[in-house]
Amino acid sequence: AQSVAQPEDQVNVAEGNPLTVKCTYSVSGNPYLFWYVQYPNRGLQFLLKYITGDNLVKGSYGFEAEFNKSQTSFHLKKPSALVSDSALYFCAVSMDTGRRALTFGSGTRLQVQP
Amino acid sequence: SQTIHQWPATLVQPVGSPLSLECTVEGTSNPNLYWYRQAAGRGLQLLFYSVGIGQISSEVPQNLSASRPQDRQFILSSKKLLLSDSGFYLCAWSTGTSGINEQFFGPGTRLTVL
Repeated sequence: AQSVAQPEDQVNVAEGNPLTVKCTYSVSGNPYLFWYVQYPNRGLQFLLKYITGDNLVKGSYGFEAEFNKSQTSFHLKKPSALVSDSALYFCAVSMDTGRRALTFGSGTRLQVQP
Repeated sequence: SQTIHQWPATLVQPVGSPLSLECTVEGTSNPNLYWYRQAAGRGLQLLFYSVGIGQISSEVPQNLSASRPQDRQFILSSKKLLLSDSGFYLCAWSTGTSGINEQFFGPGTRLTVL
């Protein structure tokens, strides 16, 4: 079975400061890892994914994530936070087993203060 | 380009009444389709997914059912709603035969059961 943990319910950061949203995963093989963002009363928007190759993945809106196999982590990062980045962030995992569904973490609310 | 529609956007229903939520995708063929429920603005629970017409996989036994009468149409139904069915319902689609591709989400339907 696969699972995802987002250990922080909420992350608070000042505008202009770097931000990190943490994610760890558990799978029995090689993972495919994803980050999504959700704004209030909206569907989820895809930010970035890791499939293979370079451990640092760049995505939309200046976000990036680093895959760390030894720590089974896939933390989301941004060098300089914007107030508009305030939203709910989800990490998700899948595998190449023919089952196409994603397993999502519980979400982390990012609050960027002006 | 591809788009995904869900309706209605909001719905208030009494306990014991039937339910029908519809999801349609445009601009792609033979998509994988998914229904998720999000309770209290947090984690997503996969309810059903479908890899083709008439092919439905249920993830959690519950008061709901799903059908896929056409290639790009996915319907979530209930014969008798329960209070616990309240939540934000999200439809999503993806392509491919593995978990390598990201999912794209619709705008969601907020269901309140009174």
